[in-house]
Amino acid sequence: EAGVAQSPRYKIIEKRQSVAFWCNPISGHATLYWYQQILGQGPKLLIQFQNNGVVDDSQLPKDRFSAERLKGVDSTLKIQPAKLEDSAVYLCASRRGRGWVNTEAFFGQGTRLTVV
Amino acid sequence: AQTVTQSQPEMSVQEAETVTLSCTYDTSENNYYLFWYKQPPSRQMILVIRQEAYKQQNATENRFSVNFQKAAKSFSLKISDSQLGDTAMYFCALGDNQGGKLIFGQGTELSVKP
Repeated sequence: EAGVAQSPRYKIIEKRQSVAFWCNPISGHATLYWYQQILGQGPKLLIQFQNNGVVDDSQLPKDRFSAERLKGVDSTLKIQPAKLEDSAVYLCASRRGRGWVNTEAFFGQGTRLTVV
Repeated sequence: AQTVTQSQPEMSVQEAETVTLSCTYDTSENNYYLFWYKQPPSRQMILVIRQEAYKQQNATENRFSVNFQKAAKSFSLKISDSQLGDTAMYFCALGDNQGGKLIFGQGTELSVKP
């Protein structure tokens, strides 16, 4: 089966500009996650979707970050305006169901964002 | 709040030897899962091994095994017969079975030396 697709792979923008990342999860996966991974650190959960509804967005900086998952399939994550500290890899992951029985999270290759 | 802590930022091991990576966690849930993920320089996060909290038996996957101590909230990963291809970042993660949340530790960078 096809994996989690993310685009673009790399993005360089100036501070105060806006940027959007796209994620196409594995077909049939109801749960989708967006993570921010700053260099040398572990992934930090930004938002979790169950189909097209938000389950958890407690760590999403809502003054500048937004995410949507229209129709419960593809998802986009937007930053507007970007700050230097937003430089990171943004990872998307998906899995079946909501609990963890007989399922695992599959990750995309991520988008590396550099804000200059 | 749920937390995952990896206290070893870097580890190294000689090829063919055994290494153990440490992880502690905190959760108030009774029903949860624990995972070890590998992230090579290509950035693709790959599941190495998983453990259901309700199972007392430690999980094993070929050269990878865990030591799950539920009372101590400890979940270490043992890699036997280390190979050069094991060189990567390793992340311990906690999965909440009710909400489905998946949170990660800070990671341990493992280098396998020839």
